[in-house]
Amino acid sequence: DAGVIQSPRHEVTEMGQEVTLRCKPISGHNSLFWYRQTMMRGLELLIYFNNNVPIDDSGMPEDRFSAKMPNASFSTLKIQPSEPRDSAVYFCASSLGVRPQETQYFGPGTRLLVL
Amino acid sequence: DQQVKQNSPSLSVQEGRISILNCDYTNSMFDYFLWYKKYPAEGPTFLISISSIKDKNEDGRFTVFLNKSAKHLSLHIVPSQPGDSAVYFCAASPGNTPLVFGKGTRLSVIA
Repeated sequence: DAGVIQSPRHEVTEMGQEVTLRCKPISGHNSLFWYRQTMMRGLELLIYFNNNVPIDDSGMPEDRFSAKMPNASFSTLKIQPSEPRDSAVYFCASSLGVRPQETQYFGPGTRLLVL
Repeated sequence: DQQVKQNSPSLSVQEGRISILNCDYTNSMFDYFLWYKKYPAEGPTFLISISSIKDKNEDGRFTVFLNKSAKHLSLHIVPSQPGDSAVYFCAASPGNTPLVFGKGTRLSVIA
């Protein structure tokens, strides 16, 4: 299995531009998570889906952030408009379920820099 | 408010010695705890876990200890190897909800 696939791996954009991050979870996994890693806040959960349905988006910092999962094999995280403080590494992870006993498998991350 | 705290941002240990990484939590509802390991330019990978019904879980060189009364857990690596150099994240969950992660501790094992 290829594991969780994220694209792009690196993104540099200017403030005000729209940014779209993409994720392909492991086939057969029912849960998908979007995380953001920063030095100040560590690894924080933004939103998670179960069976393609958003369950909890309380971690999404602002309305500028949105996420979709149109099918079981694809999810996007969009930032519009982007700001310099959005610069971080964004991870997507998938698992069989949301219980903590179900191991989460992380993608390699997208490093975002907003100038 | 950080519910999972890793108060040491970094730790350096000599190869062959023991590495002890610490984690404190504030939510008494947490009943499942995990450690993830992260290498540069890669995503975190699961390392070891422990349920609140146990106080110790061992997997090869890695042992996690849980002290529920102190709301504290620790990861012991014995013996430490240069390949263990990574960022270690502590995570916890109250049950049927996703994980809450700490900020991570960067471990450097010096040869």
